[in-house]
Amino acid sequence: AQKVTQAQTEISVVEKEDVTLDCVYETRDTTYYLFWYKQPPSGELVFLIRRNSFDEQNEISGRYSWNFQKSTSSFNFTITASQVVDSAVYFCALSEAGYGGSQGNLIFGKGTKLSVKP
Amino acid sequence: GAVVSQHPSRVICKSGTSVKIECRSLDFQATTMFWYRQFPKKSLMLMATSNEGSKATYEQGVEKDKFLINHASLTLSTLTVTSAHPEDSSFYICSARDPTGTATGELFFGEGSRLTVL
Repeated sequence: AQKVTQAQTEISVVEKEDVTLDCVYETRDTTYYLFWYKQPPSGELVFLIRRNSFDEQNEISGRYSWNFQKSTSSFNFTITASQVVDSAVYFCALSEAGYGGSQGNLIFGKGTKLSVKP
Repeated sequence: GAVVSQHPSRVICKSGTSVKIECRSLDFQATTMFWYRQFPKKSLMLMATSNEGSKATYEQGVEKDKFLINHASLTLSTLTVTSAHPEDSSFYICSARDPTGTATGELFFGEGSRLTVL
């Protein structure tokens, strides 16, 4: 069965600190997709990244970076030099590949609430 | 700009009434849409998969007669909460799959609809 675990329920940091949000997943499929979404207080989900199971290259986008390790079934997300605007709930999600390689529905972790204090 | 739009963003209704939430794909034709429900401090839980021109597929534990889903066109899916009760109060989010796919992701989320049943 598919499962996504975000063990950190809440994290509080001071501005400019680096913070890593953990994500561990379970799946029997060899082809799958991993995602991170940001949900600010307004509620909408903001897409951050999608990674397929065959691409283990780490990715950096500005202050954001992602570490995908299939050996430990983890897809951790690091924010460098955090800012108050980073305060939000962050969700990790998993999707198994569907027909034609497209993704199926998403299985979400329970989210990690990040609070960045000035 | 938003590629999936939900309406209304907020709705308050009396117990026993029915509420309809719309989910529209703006830039593409979505053969499949997903409806999620988010409880306070909980993850997003998939309620049902909406397929254009056919009956929705509901997840285990979701009442079909309670949460009516209609996907009558390639750009519109609706979720109707029938005979709403206070326990139906929640944040409902839809997502739509762009069948053509993109480099950044194939699922797009609406802004969400917060339902409060008095």
